[in-house]
Amino acid sequence: GENVEQHPSTLSVQEGDSAVIKCTYSDSASNYFPWYKQELGKGPQLIIDIRSNVGEKKDQRIAVTLNKTAKHFSLHITETQPEDSAVYFCAATLSGGSYIPTFGRGTSLIVHP
Amino acid sequence: EAGVAQSPRYKIIEKRQSVAFWCNPISGHATLYWYQQILGQGPKLLIQFQNNGVVDDSQLPKDRFSAERLKGVDSTLKIQPAKLEDSAVYLCASSGNTIYFGEGSWLTVV
Repeated sequence: GENVEQHPSTLSVQEGDSAVIKCTYSDSASNYFPWYKQELGKGPQLIIDIRSNVGEKKDQRIAVTLNKTAKHFSLHITETQPEDSAVYFCAATLSGGSYIPTFGRGTSLIVHP
Repeated sequence: EAGVAQSPRYKIIEKRQSVAFWCNPISGHATLYWYQQILGQGPKLLIQFQNNGVVDDSQLPKDRFSAERLKGVDSTLKIQPAKLEDSAVYLCASSGNTIYFGEGSWLTVV
């Protein structure tokens, strides 16, 4: 089955800095990679995703890159704000039909004002 | 569109008692998942339904956990009897092209 490794487990930055979270996956068949943000007491919320037919996707201050050859993908947050503080999870899965995402262990991002 | 609804949000029970969680997925989503999230970890799949059929329940502790999805819409997850290690957040999710999570049901077993 799929195995997803996520690093770092904790990331502390100053407001305005950039933050990068990295994930690797094991199953070369995986072709869909969503990222979730989970705030305290809430369920994970999808913030951005990427499919294996593209190498990069951007949405305002958030971007995701994918290297299929190396089987790793990353989340980039620019101009971080205190409200970006949360736990971020990456996931990998085969899309289409009944796919089952496998999640990383999460990264706790702390943005200091 | 309305999101994934779950209830109850919080539950505290004693070990060996039973508990049931309910989930209403996003309208039109055929796939429904139950995940267990222990504090400090990522969600772990317990069971996946496609309409009212089970796709994957390989990680469901079947001696104490059960789940059903009658009529292919709402779903219930039951734990009986509960153990201390079942303390976790139970997340329901549904998917069309993308998976969406509910707010979770927080279970504390004392």
